[in-house]
Amino acid sequence: DADVTQTPRNRITKTGKRIMLECSQTKGHDRMYWYRQDPGLGLRLIYYSFDVKDINKGEISDGYSVSRQAQAKFSLSLESAIPNQTALYFCATSDPGTSNTQYFGPGTRLTVL
Amino acid sequence: AQSVAQPEDQVNVAEGNPLTVKCTYSVSGNPYLFWYVQYPNRGLQFLLKYITGDNLVKGSYGFEAEFNKSQTSFHLKKPSALVSDSALYFCAVRDRGNTPLVFGKGTRLSVIA
Repeated sequence: DADVTQTPRNRITKTGKRIMLECSQTKGHDRMYWYRQDPGLGLRLIYYSFDVKDINKGEISDGYSVSRQAQAKFSLSLESAIPNQTALYFCATSDPGTSNTQYFGPGTRLTVL
Repeated sequence: AQSVAQPEDQVNVAEGNPLTVKCTYSVSGNPYLFWYVQYPNRGLQFLLKYITGDNLVKGSYGFEAEFNKSQTSFHLKKPSALVSDSALYFCAVRDRGNTPLVFGKGTRLSVIA
């Protein structure tokens, strides 16, 4: 969905490196989310933010941090990447006025060697 | 706590036959229920949702889903499958409070010509 963009789309890095994944949206939604997808495990929530001043941990926040720089921007950082953080990462946005229907970006494929 | 179960990792169906992808859920109170589809190398696309009202919900691409409160199910259906329907399908649930979606592990649908 072009309304939600993620950069980079692919990234290969080494163990111990700090990595930032960025998400931008033009949907005007207040709520933003970061998920990771692993085969057979579905999508698991890492962090979410209901507005610029609100940050909440999700199911699997250890090893990750986030920054909500503006309504339209929500970044995910891996402080010191490890191989089991190799996954597909998705950003999503939602508007409570639409029963919180979430709209997803195209994903970032991260490989940690 | 909210949870979703998709009991089938894989569903195979012949083109032109009806398809069903199963989903059961657990949530406190009345649920919001969603189906998303993921095509290869793409993000998740919203298909349909149940909020209230008619138990049969119609969505994109000819898909529909039936909400069954007594069985806590929300199965995805289509009367006549297309090869292009082959993808990964996710069911998701949230309660009526301020909570993010919880996703199932996904079901891979394969439609065979």
